[in-house]
Amino acid sequence: GQQVMQIPQYQHVQEGEDFTTYCNSSTTLSNIQWYKQRPGGHPVFLIQLVKSGEVKKQKRLTFQFGEAKKNSSLHITATQTTDVGTYFCAGQKAAGNKLTFGGGTRVLVKP
Amino acid sequence: GAVVSQHPSWVICKSGTSVKIECRSLDFQATTMFWYRQFPKQSLMLMATSNEGSKATYEQGVEKDKFLINHASLTLSTLTVTSAHPEDSSFYICSAQTSGRSTYNEQFFGPGTRLTVL
Repeated sequence: GQQVMQIPQYQHVQEGEDFTTYCNSSTTLSNIQWYKQRPGGHPVFLIQLVKSGEVKKQKRLTFQFGEAKKNSSLHITATQTTDVGTYFCAGQKAAGNKLTFGGGTRVLVKP
Repeated sequence: GAVVSQHPSWVICKSGTSVKIECRSLDFQATTMFWYRQFPKQSLMLMATSNEGSKATYEQGVEKDKFLINHASLTLSTLTVTSAHPEDSSFYICSAQTSGRSTYNEQFFGPGTRLTVL
């Protein structure tokens, strides 16, 4: 079956520094979505990438979809304490189909 | 934005009893609802996909007779954990998806239900 893997599993970041989390799918995807789950909360949609090589930015967050539509990355610049949480990527093999979630990257920020 | 509610937010029950969890889309009609299970510090594991008026599609390894799903309307889906046992203790999260709501086909998640079986 389809597998989605994320690295790193944990990310300890000094406030103000940048970091990147990576997502890899075992199969080609129709689209990839990113969600953020704060401690004790539920996943909240961040972005969806559809096109090969697509790059989207949301303030300090930059999302990228690989050319082969099998991998993606999330880069956060100038990390803030509000960035704490778990970032999940989730892939869809076909639009409207079920999401397969990666294992998540748990981000802790050191002030 | 689209809001999904879940009830109850937490429940403690005795082993052998059944527990029903409700998932409601408050301001939109959900063509599809999903049920996930999440263990502490782990990812979301899809249990089943339900479409209004039809039988749910269960993921491999999920017992359909144990986790009964009913999607009675476009705004309500229920998950019943039958004859619950301590190993069923977990965080259960539902999500809803709708067509035409936005540019993306994202899922809107409920706040989750924490089930503890004694």
